[in-house]
Amino acid sequence: QKEVEQDPGPLSVPEGAIVSLNCTYSNSAFQYFMWYRQYSRKGPELLMYTYSSGNKEDGRFTAQVDKSSKYISLFIRDSQPSDSATYLCAMSEPGGTSYGKLTFGQGTILTVHP
Amino acid sequence: GAVVSQHPSRVICKSGTSVKIECRSLDFQATTMFWYRQFPKQSLMLMATSNEGSKATYEQGVEKDKFLINHASLTLSTLTVTSAHPEDSSFYICSARRTGTVYGYTFGSGTRLTVV
Repeated sequence: QKEVEQDPGPLSVPEGAIVSLNCTYSNSAFQYFMWYRQYSRKGPELLMYTYSSGNKEDGRFTAQVDKSSKYISLFIRDSQPSDSATYLCAMSEPGGTSYGKLTFGQGTILTVHP
Repeated sequence: GAVVSQHPSRVICKSGTSVKIECRSLDFQATTMFWYRQFPKQSLMLMATSNEGSKATYEQGVEKDKFLINHASLTLSTLTVTSAHPEDSSFYICSARRTGTVYGYTFGSGTRLTVV
């Protein structure tokens, strides 16, 4: 079983739709949770980050973490064609030898069509 | 904002030769840098963690003699693929973490390596 599971999609939605992206994980030591966006042939760029359980909102993006279920989500409201990219969830542990190492999900390919 | 420059962006080399990829943090110091490999439509797989002034820590299954990592300064890490073979063809991405931050990872734009 992979430490982080993410539905690879692909996901195709019309402009203006609400998009829901999800990851589940098995390592209960993960405390820091991040969402990255990656355009084709480019490095990932950080979209959102959260610590432990809870919600965080930034413009059209909302990140949720439910540690009891080991489940994180990213919601995109009023999706735009420019949101078309691969979205990767990433997690890390605090302290110890694994500190700083990010474990990524497989990535979900999102296409928003006009 | 924090910028990481990765060069070259694309390289084609002959089988058996070596290729060096550079990763520079342009406007911040990075005690720790990470090297990833990404296959088409797949996630980033961590290859090694590089700490300035010390030996890199390689993930299980990664050949340290094949993928040489040097982190000689707080702003530069290099990955050398030695005696490259076609199966080494991949997208290599570096990441630098700003010292003292938890979420401060900045990624380079990646290097597409093709071994012919």
